[in-house]
Amino acid sequence: DVVMTQTPPSLSVAIGQSVSISCKSSQSLVASDKKTYLNWLLQSPGRSPKRLIYQVSKLDSGVPDRFSGSGSEKDFTLKISRVEAEDLGVYYCLQGTHLPRTFGGGTKLELK
Amino acid sequence: EVQVLESGGGLVQPGNSLKLSCATSGFTFSTAWMHWYRQFPEKRLEWVARIKAKSNNYANDYTESVKGRFTISRDDSKSSIYLQMNNLKEEDTAIYYCVRPDFWGPGTMVTVSS
Repeated sequence: DVVMTQTPPSLSVAIGQSVSISCKSSQSLVASDKKTYLNWLLQSPGRSPKRLIYQVSKLDSGVPDRFSGSGSEKDFTLKISRVEAEDLGVYYCLQGTHLPRTFGGGTKLELK
Repeated sequence: EVQVLESGGGLVQPGNSLKLSCATSGFTFSTAWMHWYRQFPEKRLEWVARIKAKSNNYANDYTESVKGRFTISRDDSKSSIYLQMNNLKEEDTAIYYCVRPDFWGPGTMVTVSS
């Protein structure tokens, strides 16, 4: 199985600050169709996960452009510019290139 | 508006069975590849199973730990998917989510305990 290593496990931020979360995979996530199926999800407290970004950098509908994704092959980053209170929760990376699909361990974003 | 709603969770003894249902609306279900994921009590997320569309012969895949015990199926006439879970183990205790890749349902809790 593809191992997804996500860091840091937690972040303490002030509103308005920018943060980055890293996700590294044990194998390349470039699929046979040349696309890279790396997703970022946010699980807000008491809620089910919500997908924010797919294929490394494409924002889902309604996701603010304060969120951005970058990376390639095995190394990926989620950046949140100007953190707002609604951004707090646990962020997960999820690879969809290989079966079984696998998740990073999560990054808990908390208020400083 | 996309809607996904799981049902069928509950408390069950080890070795018993349970069938989860997922009713959907608001999108073209028949062409969607649908998934079940689960979240364990310690918050770890795991992909469980996937079922493709009719055009892909309803092909399905499973995570290794549930192969031979769980069966994913779908009924396009009802815009629904199902997860038949047999020979349940305590380690199957989790919240089970029905997922269109871009949309997660609220989940249904399955507790396996004697």
